Amino acid sequence: EDQVTQSPEALRLQEGESSSLNCSYTVSGLRGLFWYRQDPGKGPEFLFTLYSAGEEKEKERLKATLTKKESFLHITAPKPEDSATYLCAVQDKGTSYGKLTFGQGTILTVHP
Amino acid sequence: NAGVTQTPKFRVLKTGQSMTLLCAQDMNHEYMYWYRQDPGMGLRLIHYSVGEGTTAKGEVPDGYNVSRLKKQNFLLGLESAAPSQTSVYFCASSYSTVYYNEQFFGPGTRLTVL
Repeated sequence: EDQVTQSPEALRLQEGESSSLNCSYTVSGLRGLFWYRQDPGKGPEFLFTLYSAGEEKEKERLKATLTKKESFLHITAPKPEDSATYLCAVQDKGTSYGKLTFGQGTILTVHP
Repeated sequence: NAGVTQTPKFRVLKTGQSMTLLCAQDMNHEYMYWYRQDPGMGLRLIHYSVGEGTTAKGEVPDGYNVSRLKKQNFLLGLESAAPSQTSVYFCASSYSTVYYNEQFFGPGTRLTVL
């Protein structure tokens, strides 16, 4: 059974204080690992897809990396507007219909 | 492009009432999904569709039915609502399940069953 565990559950940072969020996963064969951002009362917003170990993707202050067992979302010099819940999900090669298995999320709060 | 839209945004039902949630996407995506999100449970797949006229059960299908008569629309029905169905419901769609397989989510419907 596919499993995704995100840590920490919550992270409080000062503006400009860089940090990382972790996503550990177990799948029989990884088709893709996805990062989403979710603001309160809204739907998840797609950020990145990573397909293979060693792959990295960047968008503004966010950088996602992937190993065979985990992914990190690095946040460089965060701003208050980066405050949100960050969700990680995996897609197993064994599913034909694109099922995503989600982690519980990390709630990020950035204080000015 | 509006992306994925959902109606209604909020709804309160009494136990035993029925309702239909509507999802529409304008990206010509083949694949569509219904999830529910509950505190401490994460996002869980209710039903999905791999194309017009097809539907299938996900992880938590009991108490729900779906239909996809048109490619752009995916309907989620509750025939006899129960308090356990109080949740936030999200619809999502994707172009593919291989590459370009990211799912795009709608804004959600917050449902309360009394």
